[in-house]
Amino acid sequence: NAGVTQTPKFQVLKTGQSMTLQCAQDMNHEYMSWYRQDPGMGLRLIHYSVGAGITDQGEVPNGYNVSRSTTEDFPLRLLSAAPSQTSVYFCASKLRQGVMNTGELFFGEGSRLTVL
Amino acid sequence: GQQVMQIPQYQHVQEGEDFTTYCNSSTTLSNIQWYKQRPGGHPVFLIQLVKSGEVKKQKRLTFQFGEAKKNSSLHITATQTTDVGTYFCAGRGNFNKFYFGSGTKLNVKP
Repeated sequence: NAGVTQTPKFQVLKTGQSMTLQCAQDMNHEYMSWYRQDPGMGLRLIHYSVGAGITDQGEVPNGYNVSRSTTEDFPLRLLSAAPSQTSVYFCASKLRQGVMNTGELFFGEGSRLTVL
Repeated sequence: GQQVMQIPQYQHVQEGEDFTTYCNSSTTLSNIQWYKQRPGGHPVFLIQLVKSGEVKKQKRLTFQFGEAKKNSSLHITATQTTDVGTYFCAGRGNFNKFYFGSGTKLNVKP
């Protein structure tokens, strides 16, 4: 199993450009989410999904779009990049919480985005 | 909105000293998880606490969940250089949202 795979690992954009960060997991996890990590601010939830066709907003959703057409994939779209979106982005997934699992989040290795 | 505060932001210790990081939530949590992130890496799950007053141990690490399910702590006994990293708590609120603390960055001097 590859776990959670994020691409690209690094990206430099100019203000106003658009791009998509890809996230794929091969663990059949229902729950997938995107976080951004900024110095001194921990991890902030952008969007999450509890299953194919279902998405919801987190703490900092503005400027980002998501969709969940399959269980495996959860792409994050920046429609018009701004310098304030310079950050490290992590995708994380988990099984639905149940008796037989701890509900731990499995993180990808991160995507470092710089917006000039 | 829901917030999880974590202190201290940084901690520098000599190898062999103890270390503690604390999390406090503005609201009651259904559970709390702890993660460790090595420099340049991604967060890795350590443990989950669910019950009020719960205490769990993993070798030199002791995790506690407060009676009111609003606070938690992680204590490391006799730190080692392999403990270096940032420790995050993550409280689960309503509707599958996880709220991460800002993290405590631990540096251990050999």
